[in-house]
Amino acid sequence: GENVEQHPSTLSVQEGDSAVIKCTYSDSASNYFPWYKQELGKGPQLIIDIRSNVGEKKDQRIAVTLNKTAKHFSLHITETQPEDSAVYFCAASIRNSGYALNFGKGTSLLVTP
Amino acid sequence: GAVVSQHPSRVICKSGTSVKIECRSLDFQATTMFWYRQFPKQSLMLMATSNEGSKATYEQGVEKDKFLINHASLTLSTLTVTSAHPEDSSFYICSALAAANQPQHFGDGTRLSIL
Repeated sequence: GENVEQHPSTLSVQEGDSAVIKCTYSDSASNYFPWYKQELGKGPQLIIDIRSNVGEKKDQRIAVTLNKTAKHFSLHITETQPEDSAVYFCAASIRNSGYALNFGKGTSLLVTP
Repeated sequence: GAVVSQHPSRVICKSGTSVKIECRSLDFQATTMFWYRQFPKQSLMLMATSNEGSKATYEQGVEKDKFLINHASLTLSTLTVTSAHPEDSSFYICSALAAANQPQHFGDGTRLSIL
């Protein structure tokens, strides 16, 4: 099946620094790319998404960039805070599936004070 | 924002028991719901896609007779793990979609432990 690769698997940054998580996908028909934040024992929460007709989207401290030619997209978190610590998942839509998603393996982000 | 409620949050039961998990969209109508399984420190694995009023579509390797899915209304889907065994222990998460061009919203998951 089609894959979504996500790197790094773990990321530790100091409070106030930026964090970047990168994903690549293989399905050329994917046109929707959400990012989810999952805290321990809870379901994933949508934090930002981007569609294939847009190259960049920003929401306060969070931004996502998409390069359709290279089939990669990235999550950027600026001015990180301890409460940003969680597992982050990227995902890409599956063709002809009614918007089912293929998820990356996740990045465990730790923001230290 | 869109709210998806999943119940129960935690189930502990004996081997051979059947367990039903409910997924409800509280403030929107979900034309499609998805069921995922997540092992510790791993990603979400799609099990099946459920459209209201029709049979669920199962991913390869997922036994449809083992994991029964019902999506009888636009706000409720249920997953029944039949005759559960210890290897079925996992974190099960549902998500709901209002329309094909909208984001998926997830419930908080059900931790299933089979003794």
